Amino acid sequence: SQKIEQNSEALNIQEGKTATLTCNYTNYSPAYLQWYRQDPGRGPVFLLLIRENEKEKRKERLKVTFDTTLKQSLFHITASQPADSATYLCALGSVLQKVTFGIGTKLQVIP
Amino acid sequence: EAGVVQSPRYKIIEKKQPVAFWCNPISGHNTLYWYLQNLGQGPELLIRYENEEAVDDSQLPKDRFSAERLKGVDSTLKIQPAELGDSAVYLCASSSSSGGAKTQYFGPGTRLLVL
Repeated sequence: SQKIEQNSEALNIQEGKTATLTCNYTNYSPAYLQWYRQDPGRGPVFLLLIRENEKEKRKERLKVTFDTTLKQSLFHITASQPADSATYLCALGSVLQKVTFGIGTKLQVIP
Repeated sequence: EAGVVQSPRYKIIEKKQPVAFWCNPISGHNTLYWYLQNLGQGPELLIRYENEEAVDDSQLPKDRFSAERLKGVDSTLKIQPAELGDSAVYLCASSSSSGGAKTQYFGPGTRLLVL
């Protein structure tokens, strides 16, 4: 069955460092992959999208890579700030527009 | 531009009672989604609408859950009767129909507690 794996343990990093979050998947051939941010008590907010034929996307301090051979996406936040503390969700989309979310990784940036 | 609006924000009911959630999507968005999110989990799709048509309701427990999207705008999700295990956050999202990959815009969710 399809499976999306995100590190369920919280990731704690020091302010100013680069945070790297991982999304692995099995039994899935996504057409695209998205990353969302979710703060407590709020709905997810879209951050970045990367398509299956793309290797890397950047947006300001954010970078996402997509390796369809490894079935993995990495999400990087450079020069992390305490305001980046949140849960980050990986979502895989099929050609039929069906989107499946991972459980998310909680990031804590320590001042 | 107003975002996705959901109401109520919080609801506490006793088991076996009915409950309904309302969602108003972003203006012009043809696609509407209802998700269920348990604590520490990602959103799980319940139903997806393209205009008035439910195009994916495979994960909707149809014995107790129902949804409608009359006129292809607002939507209502209903649970009758509610069970203890239905306690969760119910998220509504919308997206435009243009383009291949759809960016979803989420509402704040309705937090349901069934006692």
